[in-house]
Amino acid sequence: KQEVTQIPAALSVPEGENLVLNCSFTDSAIYNLQWFRQDPGKGLTSLLLIQSSQREQTSGRLNASLDKSSGRSTLYIAASQPGDSATYLCAVSDSGGGADGLTFGKGTHLIIQP
Amino acid sequence: TAGITQAPTSQILAAGRSMTLRCTQDMRHNAMYWYRQDLGLGLRLIHYSNTAGTTGKGEVPDGYSVSRANTDDFPLTLASAVPSQTSVYFCASSYDRAGANVLTFGAGSRLTVL
Repeated sequence: KQEVTQIPAALSVPEGENLVLNCSFTDSAIYNLQWFRQDPGKGLTSLLLIQSSQREQTSGRLNASLDKSSGRSTLYIAASQPGDSATYLCAVSDSGGGADGLTFGKGTHLIIQP
Repeated sequence: TAGITQAPTSQILAAGRSMTLRCTQDMRHNAMYWYRQDLGLGLRLIHYSNTAGTTGKGEVPDGYSVSRANTDDFPLTLASAVPSQTSVYFCASSYDRAGANVLTFGAGSRLTVL
């Protein structure tokens, strides 16, 4: 059974710093990996999706990498802003490729200090 | 704005009572999902539907039922609520079942069973 771990569980950094969030998974036979953002009391918003054949995806100040063989992904946030404060979750899709086969990590709660 | 509408946003329910959480999407997505989110356990899939007329069981289906009579609606029913079903419930959808498609989430329904 796939297990997804996100470390650290919480992170607080000053505004302007670059930071890295980590996601690891136990079964490397994945179809893709997604990073989501969740604001307090809200649903999840998709940030980036990386196919298993890809190494990274970029969107604005966000860059997600994938190393399938080692079972790791990172989300890099450049020049952090207070508006980046949220919980960030990664989710791995199993080799069947269905979104019904997604396994979520428990998230990293990020606080950007003004 | 196109998206997913969930109702109610919050509900307190006596144990043993039945409850239906409503979910409607206007994006003509084929696949829909119900998740519950619990502190320390993360997001877990309850039921899903890859297309209208079909449903499937997720990781934690016991005590819940769903129906998918049309493309837009995917209600989740608790026939006889128990306190362990206290949670935040999220409905999500994607264009089809493929994990390559980004998931869109609703804002959630907070349910408390006393």
